[in-house]
This record gives sequence, structure tokens and C-alpha cells, in this order.
Amino acid sequence: GAVVSQHPSRVICKSGTSVKIECRSLDFQATTMFWYRQFPKQSLMLMATSNEGSKATYEQGVEKDKFLINHASLTLSTLTVTSAHPEDSSFYICSARDVAGGDTDTQYFGPGTRLTVL
Amino acid sequence: GQNIDQPTEMTATEGAIVQINCTYQTSGFNGLFWYQQHAGEAPTFLSYNVLDGLEEKGRFSSFLSRSKGYSYLLLKELQMKDSASYLCAVSDSNYQLIWGAGTKLIIKP
Repeated sequence: GAVVSQHPSRVICKSGTSVKIECRSLDFQATTMFWYRQFPKQSLMLMATSNEGSKATYEQGVEKDKFLINHASLTLSTLTVTSAHPEDSSFYICSARDVAGGDTDTQYFGPGTRLTVL
Repeated sequence: GQNIDQPTEMTATEGAIVQINCTYQTSGFNGLFWYQQHAGEAPTFLSYNVLDGLEEKGRFSSFLSRSKGYSYLLLKELQMKDSASYLCAVSDSNYQLIWGAGTKLIIKP
């Protein structure tokens, strides 16, 4: 149980284009999903918290107009990197928190999306 | 401020035991998590502690002392596949995960 998928797993795009990344909880419902970014040899950096049916909460320093997050259902959240630039190249990972998890707010991670902007 | 400390890197021998420590200072506490992350992959959940004591799960055990703000992850009978980064994370008063920088564990034959 508690499987989270991400698509695509790897994407290469030209500078200035937009890229959409999907995160799905496959066998549970997730009212809250999280988007992280991880640069090589560094720890996870939380970008935003996505709540189903409401606007995402962005961390300080993360541009909400550049990283558009939509959480339209209990099993799907999307992150769109708009007008991508080479400095946006990174490993983007989503996680989902199981609604039925009770007191244990364990986050389960998707496999990640490696974005390379040329 | 909120802070999670864990060693940057550790080396151990295949078949041995290793203990990875984590100390934390957070605003509130709603549990401590350990995750394993292999290079180039996303983290996978290992353990969750919210009460003091030891939680054992196969070769892996996790210990928590809330009064000391301290946890450790114990790995027994080390295997080469255990070479990975181990991330300590604390759920604070807002149920937000505060992440440590991770401990890179290198296993030698």
C-alpha cells in the first residue's frame, strides 16, 4: 500500500518552455501533497504544500507564479514549471500524506522527476 | 529556530552494525521519521517514532528520547545495498516535516 507515482520520470526541455509534472497517490487518498526539490548532494527542500481544493502554500523564496501547483482531486497534484530556465534543472519529488493515516502523518514519496533545461 | 543535526558521512563494514544519530530542536514535536534515499532516487520510509523507546523492524531499529531531543537509527547485519543516505525528519507543531541534511552511509566489503 501507500504507493505514489510521478510522471514523467525524466524530462529534457528547452529554455523558456513549460513542463508539467504529475503526482498521483495510487492506493490511498491524500488531502495533502508536498512538492520538494533536491539539488545534487543536497537534502530535500520543501517548495510547497498542496491541499486538495485550495491554493497551495509556498515556502519562502519559491515563486508561486513560476511553480504552479494544482491539487484538483484527492489522488492527483500537478506542478507546472513555467518558462523554465537552466537553473530550474533539478530533481523534483512529490510526497503524499495518507488521509487515513491517523496520528502518523507519514509522507510517502513518488519516484521523482529529473528535469533538465537546456 | 528549528534544527536537525546528523553526521554528514559514516563508513561501516559489511556484516557489521552501525548507529546513525540525529538530534533535533523544533517548535513542537509530532513524531520523528527516518527515510532511506539511494543516489538518484526518492526517499523511502523506514520508521516512525512518537513515543520514547526502541522500535524494531527487521534489521533496522529506531530509538527516540524526546526529553533529550535525540534519535538513532540502528542498522544490523549490514549489506552492500544499505549504502545510501539516511534522512532524519521531525514533524513539528504544525505537522510540517523539518529535514536533516542526511547521513551518507558507505558500506565496505
